[in-house]
Amino acid sequence: DIQMTQSPSSLSASVGDRVTITCRASQTITNYLNWYQQKPGKAPKLLISAASTLRSGVPSRFSGSGSGTDFTLTISSLQPEDFATYYCQQSFSAPFTFGPGTKVDIK
Amino acid sequence: QVQLQESGPGLVRPSETLSLTCTVSDASVSRYYWSWIRQPPGKGLEWIGDMYYSGSTNYNPSLKSRVTMSVDTSKNQFSLKLSSVTAADTAVYYCARAAYSYGPFFDYWGQGTLVTVSS
Repeated sequence: DIQMTQSPSSLSASVGDRVTITCRASQTITNYLNWYQQKPGKAPKLLISAASTLRSGVPSRFSGSGSGTDFTLTISSLQPEDFATYYCQQSFSAPFTFGPGTKVDIK
Repeated sequence: QVQLQESGPGLVRPSETLSLTCTVSDASVSRYYWSWIRQPPGKGLEWIGDMYYSGSTNYNPSLKSRVTMSVDTSKNQFSLKLSSVTAADTAVYYCARAAYSYGPFFDYWGQGTLVTVSS
């Protein structure tokens, strides 16, 4: 199985801050990497697919980059509605595994 | 807007079989792949498996011996059965649509249903 790690596991930030979350795969996954946002008690929401493709309706302050084993999710200017947990997911090979999550909360 | 809704018992006895159904609206189960994903309380996400309406399935090897997925095109539903459950199977279970482009990503999700395994 491909293992996914994320760093940091949690962070505190203020509205307006630039936030970067890192995801690393245990082997190369080219750009087969997706990002999700999950708020408490809710299902995850797809933000980015194929490492950098912003999904329809997702604000442009979200961006993704990377290839191979190392990927980043960036929120250019954190908004109140962005406080949530973020997960990466590899879609390179089954079983399709998720990272452990990064919780973004209010400083 | 595609909508998915899970249904099934919220409590299952140890060693019994967990059974859930996902009803899909505004999309046909005869297109796309359909998945089950679970999340133990306070923990991360685990892909259980996915299936195509033709019957083709793809299960997580860690659960494969206990998992069965099926689809009912007449009701536009798909289902999950997980046998011989233990407390470790307590989780919120989500159904989701899996769009295969650069591998599967999950673009529509149900709200999730908590299944507790307890006697």
